Amino acid sequence: GIQVEQSPPDLILQEGANSTLRCNFSDSVNNLQWFHQNPWGQLINLFYIPSGTKQNGRLSATTVATERYSLLYISSSQTTDSGVYFCAVEPNTGNQFYFGTGTSLTVIP
Amino acid sequence: ETGVTQTPRHLVMGMTNKKSLKCEQHLGHNAMYWYKQSAKKPLELMFVYNFKEQTENNSVPSRFSPECPNSSHLFLHLHTLQPEDSALYLCASSQVLAASSYNEQFFGPGTRLTVL
Repeated sequence: GIQVEQSPPDLILQEGANSTLRCNFSDSVNNLQWFHQNPWGQLINLFYIPSGTKQNGRLSATTVATERYSLLYISSSQTTDSGVYFCAVEPNTGNQFYFGTGTSLTVIP
Repeated sequence: ETGVTQTPRHLVMGMTNKKSLKCEQHLGHNAMYWYKQSAKKPLELMFVYNFKEQTENNSVPSRFSPECPNSSHLFLHLHTLQPEDSALYLCASSQVLAASSYNEQFFGPGTRLTVL
């Protein structure tokens, strides 16, 4: 099946700093999503972004499908941004989503 | 209720017990999923139901038995589980728009299961 790799695996930021999280995938995809998993386990939808660029407040995402990667930008980070960020992709062959290993983000005051 | 709901939120059971997890989606979607998330691991897809028909079963042991009575409800029946089955069980739903394309998924809050 498709391989989904996220980097970095762990990230510690000072409040107010910016960061970029990366998701690489090994095959062509129909769909790609970014999620934030909070400390209670809830997965929160951030972006549904099979291609192009989207922005939502301090967060933005870019997917370059032809080069098989997606980036999640977090600007002016806040302590509430802490948690694990996952990307998930649906390959062109369809039938299911595959999740990456996640980036664990800790924002310290 | 809005979105995707799951009950119970926490469950502790012995290896000889039988229990069920319930998921309900209020989004009008036609596909539902069960995922397992073990500690410090990514989500693993267990089952997919598309228009109430099971379309994926990723080599899940038979001690996990899914049921989808309609497009809004999904159950996971548990029996004779092992301690290594302790995990966060997440339900999701999406709207299938075309063949083999599952579109954006929305997740419930999960059931944290502990098997003693």
